[in-house]
Amino acid sequence: AQRVTQPEKLLSVFKGAPVELKCNYSYSGSPELFWYVQYSRQRLQLLLRHISRESIKGFTADLNKGETSFHLKKPFAQEEDSAMYYCALSPGGSNYKLTFGKGTLLTVNP
Amino acid sequence: DVKVTQSSRYLVKRTGEKVFLECVQDMDHENMFWYRQDPGLGLRLIYFSYDVKMKEKGDIPEGYSVSREKKERFSLILESASTNQTSMYLCASSLLTSNYGYTFGSGTRLTVV
Repeated sequence: AQRVTQPEKLLSVFKGAPVELKCNYSYSGSPELFWYVQYSRQRLQLLLRHISRESIKGFTADLNKGETSFHLKKPFAQEEDSAMYYCALSPGGSNYKLTFGKGTLLTVNP
Repeated sequence: DVKVTQSSRYLVKRTGEKVFLECVQDMDHENMFWYRQDPGLGLRLIYFSYDVKMKEKGDIPEGYSVSREKKERFSLILESASTNQTSMYLCASSLLTSNYGYTFGSGTRLTVV
């Protein structure tokens, strides 16, 4: 069975500082990894997926199969980045169920 | 351009009541899901459906059932609501493969008293 671990429940940084939200996973195959974000009073939305190798709102995430990690990074945090972030894993192929981590609440202070 | 709509934003029900949570999507997605979201526990999958009248249990199906009579609609049913089912319930839909991720509804906050 797959598992997603986000070791930090809370993360607080100052505006302009780099931010890294950690995500580790446990899965024996080749999973698909995602980051979802939920801003205050908004619905959960897809931020980025590893398969597309894109940068969204300045965030990037690299899949490290050796360390089974998919950390989310941004070089200069902004106050509007304050939100709850969830890492999620899908086994891929015909198995489309997402397993979510418990989430990290990011607060960017002015 | 709301694509996944949950019928109620807030619900308050009494213990023992039968509760229906409705979700409709207009993206012609094959898959639909029900999760519950609790602080410190993240999102946990209750049930999902990959086609009309097809359903599979997720990680925490006890106390819940689902119905999918039409492709666009997926209902979550609490047969006899209990206080430990007080939670935020999220509906989501996706294409048959998960590469493109899920689209979520805005959630229903259910309180059972």
